[in-house]
Amino acid sequence: KQEVTQIPAALSVPEGENLVLNCSFTDSAIYNLQWFRQDPGKGLTSLLLIQSSQREQTSGRLNASLDKSSGRSTLYIAASQPGDSATYLCAVPYSGAGSYQLTFGKGTKLSVIP
Amino acid sequence: GAGVSQSPSNKVTEKGKDVELRCDPISGHTALYWYRQSLGQGLEFLIYFQGNSAPDKSGLPSDRFSAERTGGSVSTLTIQRTQQEDSAVYLCASSLVRHVDEQYFGPGTRLTVT
Repeated sequence: KQEVTQIPAALSVPEGENLVLNCSFTDSAIYNLQWFRQDPGKGLTSLLLIQSSQREQTSGRLNASLDKSSGRSTLYIAASQPGDSATYLCAVPYSGAGSYQLTFGKGTKLSVIP
Repeated sequence: GAGVSQSPSNKVTEKGKDVELRCDPISGHTALYWYRQSLGQGLEFLIYFQGNSAPDKSGLPSDRFSAERTGGSVSTLTIQRTQQEDSAVYLCASSLVRHVDEQYFGPGTRLTVT
Protein backbone atom coordinates (compact mmCIF):
# COMPACT_ATOMS: atom_id res chain seq x y z
CA LYS A 1 0.00 0.00 0.00
CA GLN A 2 1.34 3.39 -1.01
CA GLU A 3 1.87 5.88 1.82
CA VAL A 4 2.71 9.53 1.27
CA THR A 5 4.27 11.65 4.00
CA GLN A 6 4.89 15.37 4.11
CA ILE A 7 7.20 16.93 6.63
CA PRO A 8 6.95 19.43 8.25
CA ALA A 9 3.23 19.70 8.87
CA ALA A 10 3.59 23.47 9.19
CA LEU A 11 6.23 26.00 8.22
CA SER A 12 6.52 29.73 8.86
CA VAL A 13 9.04 31.86 6.97
CA PRO A 14 9.67 35.58 6.45
CA GLU A 15 8.79 37.10 3.11
CA GLY A 16 11.51 36.82 0.48
CA GLU A 17 12.99 33.60 1.79
CA ASN A 18 13.50 30.58 -0.45
CA LEU A 19 12.02 27.39 0.95
CA VAL A 20 11.69 23.67 0.31
CA LEU A 21 8.71 21.44 1.02
CA ASN A 22 9.26 17.70 1.26
CA CYS A 23 7.20 14.74 0.14
CA SER A 24 8.13 11.08 0.51
CA PHE A 25 6.39 7.95 -0.73
CA THR A 26 6.87 4.30 0.14
CA ASP A 27 6.33 2.61 -3.24
CA SER A 28 8.78 3.93 -5.81
CA ALA A 29 6.85 2.41 -8.74
CA ILE A 30 4.98 5.61 -9.37
CA TYR A 31 3.70 6.91 -12.69
CA ASN A 32 3.97 10.57 -11.75
CA LEU A 33 3.64 12.93 -8.79
CA GLN A 34 1.41 15.96 -8.54
CA TRP A 35 1.77 19.01 -6.27
CA PHE A 36 -1.32 20.96 -5.26
CA ARG A 37 -2.06 24.10 -3.33
CA GLN A 38 -5.14 24.49 -1.12
CA ASP A 39 -6.25 27.84 0.24
CA PRO A 40 -8.49 27.84 3.35
CA GLY A 41 -12.04 26.83 2.49
CA LYS A 42 -11.17 26.22 -1.14
CA GLY A 43 -10.54 23.31 -3.45
CA LEU A 44 -7.17 22.15 -4.71
CA THR A 45 -5.21 23.98 -7.38
CA SER A 46 -2.80 21.89 -9.44
CA LEU A 47 0.68 23.41 -9.37
CA LEU A 48 2.96 20.93 -11.09
CA LEU A 49 2.81 17.37 -12.36
CA ILE A 50 6.17 15.66 -12.70
CA GLN A 51 6.36 12.45 -14.69
CA SER A 52 8.37 9.49 -13.39
CA SER A 53 10.83 9.93 -16.25
CA GLN A 54 11.51 13.56 -15.29
CA ARG A 55 13.86 14.86 -12.63
CA GLU A 56 12.49 18.39 -12.45
CA GLN A 57 9.53 20.51 -13.48
CA THR A 58 9.37 24.29 -13.24
CA SER A 59 6.59 26.84 -13.24
CA GLY A 60 7.47 30.44 -12.42
CA ARG A 61 8.94 30.58 -8.90
CA LEU A 62 8.13 26.91 -8.30
CA ASN A 63 10.42 24.01 -9.01
CA ALA A 64 9.52 20.39 -8.28
CA SER A 65 12.10 17.63 -8.25
CA LEU A 66 11.59 13.89 -8.17
CA ASP A 67 13.90 11.11 -7.06
CA LYS A 68 11.98 7.87 -7.58
CA SER A 69 14.69 5.60 -6.27
CA SER A 70 14.74 7.30 -2.89
CA GLY A 71 10.99 7.88 -2.83
CA ARG A 72 11.23 11.64 -2.51
CA SER A 73 10.02 14.82 -4.11
CA THR A 74 10.66 18.41 -3.16
CA LEU A 75 8.84 21.61 -4.03
CA TYR A 76 11.13 24.63 -4.06
CA ILE A 77 9.54 28.06 -3.77
CA ALA A 78 11.81 30.99 -4.60
CA ALA A 79 11.45 34.46 -3.11
CA SER A 80 8.37 33.59 -1.06
CA GLN A 81 5.47 36.06 -0.85
CA PRO A 82 2.56 36.38 1.60
CA GLY A 83 0.28 35.21 -1.22
CA ASP A 84 2.08 31.88 -1.16
CA SER A 85 0.55 31.15 2.24
CA ALA A 86 -1.55 28.00 1.82
CA THR A 87 -1.43 24.26 2.41
CA TYR A 88 0.67 22.36 -0.11
CA LEU A 89 -0.17 18.74 -0.87
CA CYS A 90 1.59 16.12 -2.92
CA ALA A 91 -0.15 13.10 -4.41
CA VAL A 92 0.67 10.01 -6.45
CA PRO A 93 -1.67 7.79 -8.47
CA TYR A 94 -2.29 4.49 -6.73
CA SER A 95 -0.36 1.81 -8.53
CA GLY A 96 -2.33 -1.20 -7.31
CA ALA A 97 -4.39 -3.20 -9.75
CA GLY A 98 -7.99 -2.12 -10.17
CA SER A 99 -7.79 1.08 -8.16
CA TYR A 100 -7.68 4.53 -9.60
CA GLN A 101 -7.29 6.97 -6.75
CA LEU A 102 -4.66 9.53 -5.91
CA THR A 103 -2.90 8.92 -2.61
CA PHE A 104 -2.32 12.23 -0.84
CA GLY A 105 0.01 13.39 1.87
CA LYS A 106 -1.56 15.33 4.71
CA GLY A 107 0.07 18.55 3.50
CA THR A 108 2.41 21.25 4.71
CA LYS A 109 0.75 24.45 5.91
CA LEU A 110 2.94 27.36 4.81
CA SER A 111 2.76 30.81 6.34
CA VAL A 112 4.81 33.61 4.75
CA ILE A 113 5.15 36.50 7.15
CA PRO A 114 5.31 40.02 5.63
CA GLY B 1 -12.11 27.40 -20.34
CA ALA B 2 -14.36 26.64 -17.39
CA GLY B 3 -12.98 24.53 -14.59
CA VAL B 4 -14.69 21.90 -12.47
CA SER B 5 -17.79 23.29 -10.81
CA GLN B 6 -19.67 21.96 -7.80
CA SER B 7 -22.97 22.82 -6.20
CA PRO B 8 -24.03 23.73 -3.68
CA SER B 9 -20.96 25.35 -2.15
CA ASN B 10 -22.39 24.86 1.34
CA LYS B 11 -25.08 22.52 2.60
CA VAL B 12 -26.44 22.28 6.12
CA THR B 13 -28.76 19.37 6.77
CA GLU B 14 -30.36 17.61 9.69
CA LYS B 15 -29.24 14.17 10.73
CA GLY B 16 -31.22 11.52 8.91
CA LYS B 17 -31.98 13.57 5.80
CA ASP B 18 -30.72 12.70 2.32
CA VAL B 19 -28.46 15.08 0.39
CA GLU B 20 -27.34 15.35 -3.22
CA LEU B 21 -24.10 16.98 -4.27
CA ARG B 22 -23.43 17.87 -7.89
CA CYS B 23 -20.24 17.99 -9.95
CA ASP B 24 -19.77 19.36 -13.44
CA PRO B 25 -16.37 18.29 -14.82
CA ILE B 26 -14.22 20.07 -17.35
CA SER B 27 -15.67 19.65 -20.82
CA GLY B 28 -14.00 16.76 -22.63
CA HIS B 29 -12.69 15.09 -19.49
CA THR B 30 -13.78 11.48 -19.35
CA ALA B 31 -12.49 10.64 -15.86
CA LEU B 32 -14.26 11.96 -12.75
CA TYR B 33 -13.46 11.46 -9.07
CA TRP B 34 -15.07 12.19 -5.73
CA TYR B 35 -12.97 12.73 -2.60
CA ARG B 36 -13.83 13.67 0.97
CA GLN B 37 -11.79 15.90 3.23
CA SER B 38 -12.70 15.83 6.91
CA LEU B 39 -11.45 18.39 9.42
CA GLY B 40 -7.86 17.62 10.26
CA GLN B 41 -7.79 14.60 7.95
CA GLY B 42 -6.25 14.01 4.59
CA LEU B 43 -8.15 13.55 1.37
CA GLU B 44 -10.07 10.31 1.17
CA PHE B 45 -10.94 8.77 -2.19
CA LEU B 46 -14.60 7.86 -2.63
CA ILE B 47 -15.39 6.88 -6.22
CA TYR B 48 -13.98 7.05 -9.76
CA PHE B 49 -15.82 7.13 -13.10
CA GLN B 50 -14.12 6.53 -16.44
CA GLY B 51 -16.24 6.89 -19.56
CA ASN B 52 -18.80 4.11 -19.79
CA SER B 53 -16.85 1.67 -17.64
CA ALA B 54 -18.15 0.40 -14.32
CA PRO B 55 -17.13 2.88 -11.61
CA ASP B 56 -14.54 2.10 -8.97
CA LYS B 57 -16.60 2.35 -5.79
CA SER B 58 -13.91 0.96 -3.50
CA GLY B 59 -13.67 4.13 -1.42
CA LEU B 60 -17.34 4.57 -0.52
CA PRO B 61 -17.51 4.32 3.29
CA SER B 62 -20.96 2.73 3.54
CA ASP B 63 -23.99 1.76 1.49
CA ARG B 64 -25.55 5.10 2.40
CA PHE B 65 -23.25 6.64 -0.18
CA SER B 66 -23.91 6.32 -3.90
CA ALA B 67 -22.95 8.22 -7.01
CA GLU B 68 -23.96 8.31 -10.62
CA ARG B 69 -22.71 9.98 -13.73
CA THR B 70 -25.21 10.74 -16.43
CA GLY B 71 -24.26 11.01 -20.08
CA GLY B 72 -20.59 10.79 -19.23
CA SER B 73 -20.61 14.31 -17.83
CA VAL B 74 -22.37 15.59 -14.72
CA SER B 75 -22.11 13.48 -11.57
CA THR B 76 -24.24 13.39 -8.45
CA LEU B 77 -23.08 12.07 -5.08
CA THR B 78 -25.98 11.06 -2.84
CA ILE B 79 -25.74 10.48 0.89
CA GLN B 80 -28.78 8.87 2.45
CA ARG B 81 -29.77 9.14 6.11
CA THR B 82 -26.93 11.55 6.83
CA GLN B 83 -25.01 11.27 10.08
CA GLN B 84 -22.82 13.77 11.87
CA GLU B 85 -19.65 11.95 10.84
CA ASP B 86 -20.56 12.69 7.22
CA SER B 87 -19.74 16.37 7.84
CA ALA B 88 -16.82 17.18 5.57
CA VAL B 89 -15.82 18.95 2.39
CA TYR B 90 -16.66 16.85 -0.66
CA LEU B 91 -14.35 17.51 -3.57
CA CYS B 92 -14.83 16.51 -7.17
CA ALA B 93 -12.02 16.27 -9.71
CA SER B 94 -11.71 15.42 -13.37
CA SER B 95 -8.91 14.41 -15.71
CA LEU B 96 -8.64 13.97 -19.44
CA VAL B 97 -8.72 10.18 -19.66
CA ARG B 98 -6.99 8.23 -16.90
CA HIS B 99 -6.27 8.56 -13.19
CA VAL B 100 -2.61 9.15 -13.98
CA ASP B 101 -3.48 12.26 -15.97
CA GLU B 102 -3.35 15.62 -14.22
CA GLN B 103 -6.38 15.98 -11.98
CA TYR B 104 -8.26 19.27 -11.69
CA PHE B 105 -10.37 19.91 -8.63
CA GLY B 106 -13.55 21.82 -8.06
CA PRO B 107 -14.08 24.24 -5.14
CA GLY B 108 -15.85 21.61 -3.05
CA THR B 109 -19.13 21.35 -1.17
CA ARG B 110 -18.96 21.88 2.57
CA LEU B 111 -21.52 19.56 4.17
CA THR B 112 -22.57 20.11 7.77
CA VAL B 113 -24.88 17.59 9.41
CA THR B 114 -26.54 18.95 12.56
